[in-house]
Amino acid sequence: QSALTQPASVSGSPGQSITISCTGTSSDVGSYSFVSWYQQHPGKAPKLMIYEGSKRPSGVSNRFSGSKSGNTASLTISGLQVEDEADYYCCSYADTITVFGGGTKLTVL
Amino acid sequence: QVQLVQSGAEVKKPGSSVKVSCKASGGNFSSYAISWVRQAPGQGLEWMGRITPIPGIIKYGQKFQGRVTITADKSTSTAYMELSSLRFEDTAEYYCARSIRWGGYYMDVWGKGTTVTVSS
Repeated sequence: QSALTQPASVSGSPGQSITISCTGTSSDVGSYSFVSWYQQHPGKAPKLMIYEGSKRPSGVSNRFSGSKSGNTASLTISGLQVEDEADYYCCSYADTITVFGGGTKLTVL
Repeated sequence: QVQLVQSGAEVKKPGSSVKVSCKASGGNFSSYAISWVRQAPGQGLEWMGRITPIPGIIKYGQKFQGRVTITADKSTSTAYMELSSLRFEDTAEYYCARSIRWGGYYMDVWGKGTTVTVSS
């Protein structure tokens, strides 16, 4: 099972919006509505930000949103804040197993 | 609220095995799955496998198949991950995470991680 494809890095200024893409195949992202996104700050455990493609857990800012089109899922962060600077990973259910993306480093300039 | 407490850091020799535990408190251990995810230094997250204590279904990532064994003790609400034939490249942080079955096993609660160092 291959990893999902994410851009290595993205950047934005405070207040701007950015989108991180996550490209899979018809065996994972394209077949299921089970894409999740995780935020990880250095030295910390990952934190769930989006599940089932577009749902936000309680306590996660509504500045974070998720979507999917075909084999590609996307995470959009609006109104960027300095504390959003972190690594972001997408993840998909894939016919009984789970696969992660390679991760994207978000820099808030 | 569910909390996952992992065992402490380990230093192992190449070729040996390591067993990491993950004890759940709060919630109903039998109602969710436990996934194991590892992260080598400076690298991304890798899914290793998952156990659903009831009905006892276990799935492993292809990369780890044959070297990893995931088990669970329902009586103590503890999951275990054992990795054998350790190599230097198995040096990593190992996380357990609660996985919600009905949502494609997304991981909503994470342990703090266990550092495993493979060194001669």
